[in-house]
Amino acid sequence: GPKVLQIPSHQIIDMGQMVTLNCDPVSNHLYFYWYKQILGQQMEFLVNFYNGKVMEKSKLFKDQFSVERPDGSYFTLKIQPTALEDSAVYFCASSPSGTRHYAEQFFGPGTRLTVL
Amino acid sequence: AQKVTQTQTSISVMEKTTVTMDCVYETRDSSYFLFWYKQTASGEIVFLIRQDSYKKENATEGHYSLNFQKPKSSIGLIITATQIEDSAVYFCAMREEIVGDNSKLIWGLGTSLVVNP
Repeated sequence: GPKVLQIPSHQIIDMGQMVTLNCDPVSNHLYFYWYKQILGQQMEFLVNFYNGKVMEKSKLFKDQFSVERPDGSYFTLKIQPTALEDSAVYFCASSPSGTRHYAEQFFGPGTRLTVL
Repeated sequence: AQKVTQTQTSISVMEKTTVTMDCVYETRDSSYFLFWYKQTASGEIVFLIRQDSYKKENATEGHYSLNFQKPKSSIGLIITATQIEDSAVYFCAMREEIVGDNSKLIWGLGTSLVVNP
C-alpha cells in the first residue's frame, strides 16, 4: 500500500533542546496528521494539517509544538523546548482526502523520541 | 465526545484457527466510519479494513472480516485461518469529523494477538 516515510527512526535529546521530526507523506495526499503513542498506551491525536494550516489540534499539542510543510517538502513536527513527558513514539499519517470515501489514513513507521 | 473501547487486552490462539476481537464505540453521528489497524512488532501501523456505517453488509478483506452490529455499536474484527505473522496489536479506530472534510482518528487501547504454532 501507500508508504509514508519518517526520519529519523529514533532520536535521543536532552530536555530543553529543540527537535524536528520529519515526515514524507504519500505524494498525492493532501491531509496530514501527527499522533503520539506513549509505550503501552493509547494512540492519541495531536494535530491535523491541510492546505498549509492547522485544522485542529488536541490538548496534547502544547505551545511548544509546531508543524509546517514548507513548499511541499517534508511535513515536520517541531518541539521547542522539549520536556521529559514528550518521550514517546510519534507517528505521521496522511490521507488523499478528508472526505468520507477516502478516509483511511496511512501511517509512517514512527519516530521514537527519547528526552533525557 | 466519541469513544472507542477494546476490552480484550490480550488473546492467544493456535495457528489456523479463527479469532474475533471486540470493539464498541460511542458516537452521536448518524454516519460514521470505523477502521481496524494492526501494529507489528517493529511498530509499523498497517491499515486492515474499514466499515462505513451506512453499509449493511459486513466488510471483508482477505482473511479479515467485520461483524458490524450497529444497534449494539459494535464492530468486531474476525481473522480466519490465523498465521504466525498475524501476531500483532490490533487497534480499532473511528473517524471523527473536525471542520469541513478534516477528520481525526479516535483509537481504542488495542488488543495484543499471539498466534502460536
